[in-house]
Amino acid sequence: AQSVTQLDSHVSVSEGTPVLLRCNYSSSYSPSLFWYVQHPNKGLQLLLKYTSAATLVKGINGFEAEFKKSETSFHLTKPSAHMSDAAEYFCVVTPNTGNQFYFGTGTSLTVIP
Amino acid sequence: DAMVIQNPRYQVTQFGKPVTLSCSQTLNHNVMYWYQQKSSQAPKLLFHYYDKDFNNEADTPDNFQSRRPNTSFCFLDIRSPGLGDAAMYLCATSRDIRIEYPGTYEQYFGPGTRLTVT
Repeated sequence: AQSVTQLDSHVSVSEGTPVLLRCNYSSSYSPSLFWYVQHPNKGLQLLLKYTSAATLVKGINGFEAEFKKSETSFHLTKPSAHMSDAAEYFCVVTPNTGNQFYFGTGTSLTVIP
Repeated sequence: DAMVIQNPRYQVTQFGKPVTLSCSQTLNHNVMYWYQQKSSQAPKLLFHYYDKDFNNEADTPDNFQSRRPNTSFCFLDIRSPGLGDAAMYLCATSRDIRIEYPGTYEQYFGPGTRLTVT
């Protein structure tokens, strides 16, 4: 079975401080993992993806994530938050066995000036 | 730029009045998806097409139908919208895992259509 757990429904950080959004997954197969960002009333934009190559993945806008198989985690980080980072973030897993993507419940990031 | 386009961006319909939402893509992807997203929730997959092969999710209500006349276009039909169907509807595309090397693909999302039911 495949599933994704985003451990925090809301995260609040001050501008210029680090961001950590947590994601744990469960997959019966070698998965691919993604982080998407959604700004209000907009579609989802891909931030980064893990596809069994390097375990540390760099994405757009200074975000990166590390795939840790032993911990079944794929946490999203950014060294310094910017006001424009305030949005909803979704962790997504696919088991690579079919055209199916499983979404986490999302984490709402607030950036305080 | 290759992209996923959804029309209209905002749609208002009356309770029980059929409505159709449109999605088109210039990516030439085999797979197209429709998601329903309610406020502060994750997107919920309604169904997806692999080419013309329709795959319905088990819990998608019969009120929701879809058509894919060609590779580029996919439509979501809501036969009798209820107040509970008010949501953002997202269309997405991807390459086909059965053709492409696993892990070389992701979903590409359109901007969504915000449906209001009055």
